[in-house]
Amino acid sequence: QSALTQPPSASGSPGQSVTISCTGTSSDVGGYNYVSWYQHHPGKAPKVMIYEVSKRPSGVPDRFSGSKSANTASLTVSGLQAEDEAYYYCCSYADSNNLVFGGGTKLTVL
Amino acid sequence: QPQLQESGPGLAKPSETLSLSCTVSGGSISSSNYYWHWIRQPPGKGLEWIGNIYYSGTTYYNPSLKSRVTMSVDTSENQFSLKLSSLTAADTAVYYCVMSSSWYHFQHWGQGTLVTVSS
Repeated sequence: QSALTQPPSASGSPGQSVTISCTGTSSDVGGYNYVSWYQHHPGKAPKVMIYEVSKRPSGVPDRFSGSKSANTASLTVSGLQAEDEAYYYCCSYADSNNLVFGGGTKLTVL
Repeated sequence: QPQLQESGPGLAKPSETLSLSCTVSGGSISSSNYYWHWIRQPPGKGLEWIGNIYYSGTTYYNPSLKSRVTMSVDTSENQFSLKLSSLTAADTAVYYCVMSSSWYHFQHWGQGTLVTVSS
């Protein structure tokens, strides 16, 4: 069982927006602004899409955005494209020098 | 762009110790600018942070694995390594090595290596 809770699946049509949630506790998501999001195409290395809740690394499209409210972080993908279909994982710093992941969400572009 | 490559046995036996190495190009293990992480993904499951090591040798481990994990750096080979002891089938996973300028997120990943624990 993962420390952070994500919905197992999400979907949207091309051009639409979809939001994936990541729920933790005050000991991780709620307590620190160190939430990151990773895109994972099976068989490839994961790629960081968002770090420190809402920052985007260079090269990541601005269609990807992150936010946080209390113990829940969210990743929003706007203007869905076929290549966005992948697994998405959230990660948060947690008490006592630990990093915890969510169980992952499979995003399907319909 | 840094590149990382994991190496190690694809098959390990229960109760034994797994040893994996990660060779880094495009970045120095001796640099104070980077943290070196290990992350794994069991088949059909999510990602799990195993721990990290800094160039100084300072380590931080996932509390759930701490008693079985040892990480080290080899500056002469520009590598860092993971040892995981007392293996069980639950340790079967793809193991990734990761380089990052941050303690808190993961920037440059290796392609991953599948380790199966079975007798």
